[in-house]
Amino acid sequence: GAVVSQHPSRVICKSGTSVKIECRSLDFQATTMFWYRQFPKQSLMLMATSNEGSKATYEQGVEKDKFLINHASLTLSTLTVTSAHPEDSSFYICSARGASGGSYTQYFGPGTRLTVL
Amino acid sequence: GENVEQHPSTLSVQEGDSAVIKCTYSDSASNYFPWYKQELGKGPQLIIDIRSNVGEKKDQRIAVTLNKTAKHFSLHITETQPEDSAVYFCAASTQTGANNLFFGTGTRLTVIP
Repeated sequence: GAVVSQHPSRVICKSGTSVKIECRSLDFQATTMFWYRQFPKQSLMLMATSNEGSKATYEQGVEKDKFLINHASLTLSTLTVTSAHPEDSSFYICSARGASGGSYTQYFGPGTRLTVL
Repeated sequence: GENVEQHPSTLSVQEGDSAVIKCTYSDSASNYFPWYKQELGKGPQLIIDIRSNVGEKKDQRIAVTLNKTAKHFSLHITETQPEDSAVYFCAASTQTGANNLFFGTGTRLTVIP
């Protein structure tokens, strides 16, 4: 299957700082990338969908000014958690989907565990 | 919108036995149903998927069945091994528009050696 990487895998930051998480599709061009948040022992919650070169579409209840998403190329999307607070601590996972050959499969990254002190 | 329900939430089986996880969905327009395996501290990994034009798909010890009339699909794992222990998520998608995946709540499978 396709490979999606995330960096960093783990980050600890102080309250009020901003954190950037990178998501890369390593062996395919991702026309669409998705960002999810997962709390312990819970399912994945979709935060936003981004298409290369256009603004992200945020799910209801997700603050777009707090969770900045940039999908500048077909292989890279970034999620920036601005002015992070302890309640933002979570496991953030990206997924990527290409459109070649009519593929609609989403491939997930390994996740980034964010801890805000 | 789509609502995906998944049962059971936890499942324990003896090594070598079979495990079955069931999901139902609400949107009859959904036509793509992937299953993901998530190990602790890792991202979900696609293990098998099925599209609405087929009723069953098999890949070695893993199989998925789909009943579009009843709007349910199931994951079957045969000859379970300890390394199958993980959380399994089903999902559904309409394959149109944003192609968002709607996830079930997950099943924690424990294979007892």
